[in-house]
Amino acid sequence: GAGVSQSPRYKVAKRGQDVALRCDPISGHVSLFWYQQALGQGPEFLTYFQNEAQLDKSGLPSDRFFAERPEGSVSTLKIQRTQQEDSAVYLCASSPRSGAAGNTIYFGEGSWLTVV
Amino acid sequence: QQPVQSPQAVILREGEDAVINCSSSKALYSVHWYRQKHGEAPVFLMILLKGGEQKGHDKISASFNEKKQQSSLYLTASQLSYSGTYFCGTDRNAGGTSYGKLTFGQGTILTVHP
Repeated sequence: GAGVSQSPRYKVAKRGQDVALRCDPISGHVSLFWYQQALGQGPEFLTYFQNEAQLDKSGLPSDRFFAERPEGSVSTLKIQRTQQEDSAVYLCASSPRSGAAGNTIYFGEGSWLTVV
Repeated sequence: QQPVQSPQAVILREGEDAVINCSSSKALYSVHWYRQKHGEAPVFLMILLKGGEQKGHDKISASFNEKKQQSSLYLTASQLSYSGTYFCGTDRNAGGTSYGKLTFGQGTILTVHP
């Protein structure tokens, strides 16, 4: 597709439920990022993939959060046993290369998660 | 450490100019500017690299002061379409080790009225 595509766009989960959020990056992009954006705040880094390798997961808030990109294209962010503080917009982003110098990072519209 | 943006909010009339600042307490390698409208994806505006600058859009430009560890975004002759929240994202890693992990400021809300 033309841009980064995320699904579902909106998800309401009951506390304790598991959720899976999908990201389709721009075709051919090497780098893939997940960010979490709370209401009224800037995006916060969660994790980074270079192709299928997860090179940085320092931003994942707990071991309930898990991300994968098994074939180096589509990625899934999974949140187990959701809690109310997990409510946020989860943004996926991709970039064509692995370095940041002059490297535009493109964001998707996000998956809005509400935990009730 | 999160960069600090100022002002937090700006209200303009069409045709007026605005400046948004982004300051970091740490040395920066690059600064990325984005605009986000409610419910939409952050849209890339431009990147400024240490020792250089890239201009992404007409009437929107930016500067990068490496010594002061800050960047400023300049919007001239503002249009209604400029309304949104502007974020700076900073990358503290040098080119060889950087992969694009950005730390974002809290955002500046820009509202342009007719």
